[in-house]
Amino acid sequence: AQSVSQHNHHVILSEAASLELGCNYSYGGTVNLFWYVQYPGQHLQLLLKYFSGDPLVKGIKGFEAEFIKSKFSFNLRKPSVQWSDTAEYFCAVNVAGGSYIPTFGRGTSLIVHP
Amino acid sequence: EAQVTQNPRYLITVTGKKLTVTCSQNMNHEYMSWYRQDPGLGLRQIYYSMNVEVTDKGDVPEGYKVSRKEKRNFPLILESPSPNQTSLYFCASSHSPNYGYTFGSGTRLTVV
Repeated sequence: AQSVSQHNHHVILSEAASLELGCNYSYGGTVNLFWYVQYPGQHLQLLLKYFSGDPLVKGIKGFEAEFIKSKFSFNLRKPSVQWSDTAEYFCAVNVAGGSYIPTFGRGTSLIVHP
Repeated sequence: EAQVTQNPRYLITVTGKKLTVTCSQNMNHEYMSWYRQDPGLGLRQIYYSMNVEVTDKGDVPEGYKVSRKEKRNFPLILESPSPNQTSLYFCASSHSPNYGYTFGSGTRLTVV
């Protein structure tokens, strides 16, 4: 079964700092990869996804992620964070041709100070 | 508006009293799933469904039941709730594995 690791559990940044959140998965085959965001008190929303093509994926709100197959990684980046980016971020993977139900990482809590 | 609707949003109940959390989607999605979210543990999948009458266990199915009699509905049933089922529950649906999931607003359940 696939698994997802998010190594940063809590990240605290000041506004305008750059962000990179790590995500590694374990599965040797073809996968679909996702990043979701959960703002305080809200449900999860899809930030961006990768399933084929260009490994550099651009999502909403200035976020991007790069799929590096050789490293089994799908790190999330943003060049300059804002206070409104304070949220919990979840990486997820599902196996192409499998059950299609994603496995989530444990999440990274991001706090951005104004 | 395309959405996943869960009810109720908040529920406090007593140990052993059967309850159902409803989930409905208006996007004609085949795939639906239930997750529970606990601090430090992230989201863990309870049950999922790939279509009507097709359901399967996720990572933490004990103490839960589901049914998928219609494409739009995927209720979560707790036959005999216990305090360790106190959690935040999310229903999600998807048309295709490539597109990601649409989540409901969540149900915060407290079992005393």
